[in-house]
Amino acid sequence: EIEMTQSPATLSVSPGERATLSCRASQSVSSNLAWYQQKPGQGPRLLIYGASTRATGIPARFSGSGSGTEFTLTISSLQSEDFAVYYCQQYNNWPPSTFGQGTKVDIK
Amino acid sequence: EVQLLESGGGLVQPGGSLRLSCEASGFTFSNSAMSWVRQAPGRRLEWVSGISSGGGDTPYADSVKGRFTISRDNSKNTLYLQMNSLRAEDTAVYYCAKKVAGAAPFDYWGQGTLVTVSS
Repeated sequence: EIEMTQSPATLSVSPGERATLSCRASQSVSSNLAWYQQKPGQGPRLLIYGASTRATGIPARFSGSGSGTEFTLTISSLQSEDFAVYYCQQYNNWPPSTFGQGTKVDIK
Repeated sequence: EVQLLESGGGLVQPGGSLRLSCEASGFTFSNSAMSWVRQAPGRRLEWVSGISSGGGDTPYADSVKGRFTISRDNSKNTLYLQMNSLRAEDTAVYYCAKKVAGAAPFDYWGQGTLVTVSS
């Protein structure tokens, strides 16, 4: 089973600033990596798949990069609605598909 | 608009059973692979089980194999999860999630249903 590790656990950012989240896989997952946003009381929302492709309706301020074992999610200018928990997920070796432990982006 | 609506969660004693349902709308359910994913309090998301569009392929996480059964009724646009021999560690919010194919991300999720296993 591939282990996904996210850093940092919490990221404190001011509105309008840039946020950079990291995700590392214990072995290569090629570009089969997705990012999700989750707000309290809601199911996750797909942001990025294929490591760098934005899902339908996702604003351009969200971007993903990386391949193999190292991945990054960047939010270029944080809006109030972006404060949430973000998870990465590998779907290269499935089943099982595995998730990172999450990064909470909160207001500085 | 894609909607996934889970139901059937609740409080159950250890060793008990529950059946979760997920009603789907807004897309062609019979063409979509589906999964159940859970999230225990303070823990990461954990994939539980999946089912192919026709129902012939049903993988499970090792943690639930032999206790949980996933199924679907394409005529009712509904996904199910039968959970037997429940343990305290099965306590979690259970989400149903849609994907296009087997090795793919989950493009839509429900809002979840809480299962609490406790005496």
